[in-house]
Amino acid sequence: GQQLNQSPQSMFIQEGEDVSMNCTSSSIFNTWLWYKQDPGEGPVLLIALYKAGELTSNGRLTAQFGITRKDSFLNISASIPSDVGIYFCAGRESTDKLIFGTGTRLQVFP
Amino acid sequence: KAGVTQTPRYLIKTRGQQVTLSCSPISGHRSVSWYQQTPGQGLQFLFEYFSETQRNKGNFPGRFSGRQFSNSRSEMNVSTLELGDSALYLCASSLEPRANEQFFGPGTRLTVL
Repeated sequence: GQQLNQSPQSMFIQEGEDVSMNCTSSSIFNTWLWYKQDPGEGPVLLIALYKAGELTSNGRLTAQFGITRKDSFLNISASIPSDVGIYFCAGRESTDKLIFGTGTRLQVFP
Repeated sequence: KAGVTQTPRYLIKTRGQQVTLSCSPISGHRSVSWYQQTPGQGLQFLFEYFSETQRNKGNFPGRFSGRQFSNSRSEMNVSTLELGDSALYLCASSLEPRANEQFFGPGTRLTVL
């Protein structure tokens, strides 16, 4: 099935560090979403982006909708242990289907 | 408000069997989507239901089917199970199909032996 390219695949960082991850696609999307999944649970929506160039924050999280509409970035500032999990980007097609990225596994060490 | 519930949480089946998974959306939500999550393929869209009608379908074989009831509860069925069907099956509900606020359930972990 179709997937978005998400990088990096995994990250091991120290508490307090900033984190950056991104998603790229060969297709244009009208909406970009970022989710976080904790072990044993379903993904939870973190940020939704609706316009090219849009920059949106949610606490220590900031995401941007790329100008080309084919990419998106998520930054986490001053990471804390509870940031551990798998982060997924998702793009919404014109058919309304959500296409998910391959995920970035984040590990935070004290 | 109760979240999305999925039953059962864990299931073990053998090849060739069939399985039915259930999803109860958040009260008032009428759109239900199903996803398959595997380590190798990530989250793959299966199908979406709204008002008892399948609105969208992913690229899965016909062995995968679903339905939605008048109370918005949804079931998905997989027939003639294969080893590769082992996965976490996630259900997500939203108020309406285009709502970006999709709330996911905890999933059903299916293991096919």
